[in-house]
Amino acid sequence: EDQVTQSPEALRLQEGESSSLNCSYTVSGLRGLFWYRQDPGKGPEFLFTLYSAGEEKEKERLKATLTKKESFLHITAPKPEDSATYLCAVHPTGANNLFFGTGTRLTVIP
Amino acid sequence: DAGVTQSPTHLIKTRGQHVTLRCSPISGHKSVSWYQQVLGQGPQFIFQYYEKEERGRGNFPDRFSARQFPNYSSELNVNALLLGDSALYLCASSFPGAGNTIYFGEGSWLTVV
Repeated sequence: EDQVTQSPEALRLQEGESSSLNCSYTVSGLRGLFWYRQDPGKGPEFLFTLYSAGEEKEKERLKATLTKKESFLHITAPKPEDSATYLCAVHPTGANNLFFGTGTRLTVIP
Repeated sequence: DAGVTQSPTHLIKTRGQHVTLRCSPISGHKSVSWYQQVLGQGPQFIFQYYEKEERGRGNFPDRFSARQFPNYSSELNVNALLLGDSALYLCASSFPGAGNTIYFGEGSWLTVV
């Protein structure tokens, strides 16, 4: 059964304190792994898609990496505006939908 | 270019009533999917439509139905509303293809009282 587990559930960082969010997944085959950012009361905002183990993508202070079992979202020198819930989702081979984790709620304190 | 647009943004319904939610995909996108997000959880897949045909269905009761129109817009219908149907309903669109990016709208907040 396809499964996505994100950790930690919540993370509080001081401004400038770098850290990583984890997304572990189990799928029979992977078409893509997606990272989204979601602000309270809003829809998920697309960040990255990763397709194969070893792939990395960067956007401003965020960097996403992928292995055969997990993905990491690294946040370098975060700012308060990075506070949000970060969602990880997998698109399994042969499926028409995404399977989401429950998210990591990030709070960056000034 | 406009993103995925959904309406209404917020609505309150009474148990037993019916609701229709609407979605317009990004221009050029032919695939539309619907997800339900309960507070504190990740989105859960309800339906996917492509070229007006249902291409996938999640584990939701028959009270949930959807359709896609010739202009690729879509409606999600929920009958006989229950308190547990209170959630954020998200529409997503994509240009079909392996690994193509899936973009979400801002959602419709449904409260059932």
